[in-house]
Amino acid sequence: EAGVAQSPRYKIIEKRQSVAFWCNPISGHATLYWYQQILGQGPKLLIQFQNNGVVDDSQLPKDRFSAERLKGVDSTLKIQPAKLEDSAVYLCASSLEAQTGGYTFGSGTRLTVV
Amino acid sequence: AQRVTQPEKLLSVFKGAPVELKCNYSYSGSPELFWYVQYSRQRLQLLLRHISRESIKGFTADLNKGETSFHLKKPFAQEEDSAMYYCALNNAGNMLTFGGGTRLMVKP
Repeated sequence: EAGVAQSPRYKIIEKRQSVAFWCNPISGHATLYWYQQILGQGPKLLIQFQNNGVVDDSQLPKDRFSAERLKGVDSTLKIQPAKLEDSAVYLCASSLEAQTGGYTFGSGTRLTVV
Repeated sequence: AQRVTQPEKLLSVFKGAPVELKCNYSYSGSPELFWYVQYSRQRLQLLLRHISRESIKGFTADLNKGETSFHLKKPFAQEEDSAMYYCALNNAGNMLTFGGGTRLMVKP
């Protein structure tokens, strides 16, 4: 089966600019996650979708981050405006609804804010 | 609040030596624990889950609820085991909380 696709692989922007990341999960996976991984740390959950609905976005900095999954398939994560501390790898993962913990991760997007 | 702690940032061993990567957790409910691995230039991937009680690539992990630990062990390390290892806790909402990771380096 095809894996979780993410684009772009790398992005460099200046602070206060905006940026968007795209994720296409494995076909049939109802649950989609966005994680932020800062260098030297473990991944931190930003938002969880179940189909096109948000399950949990309690750790999403909503003043600057937004995410959507309009048709319950692919998803976009946006940052506007970006700050230096947003430099990180943004990981997308998906899982079957009934499959606890067994996520499939994408390759991630490495964002550098200068 | 749930938390996962991996006390060692780096663990360096020689090939053939035993390996133990430590993981401690705090969670008020019944925990589901996992180990994920990331090899160089590869994606983060599931290594094993405690409910399966399986051995993958020679690695095992036992959940110790009394000590709130889920240490990952392998009796004889191989060079290809060199990678980043993350312990993760799944809550009732099917959301994973990850530890900070341990880099395992297996020297020849």
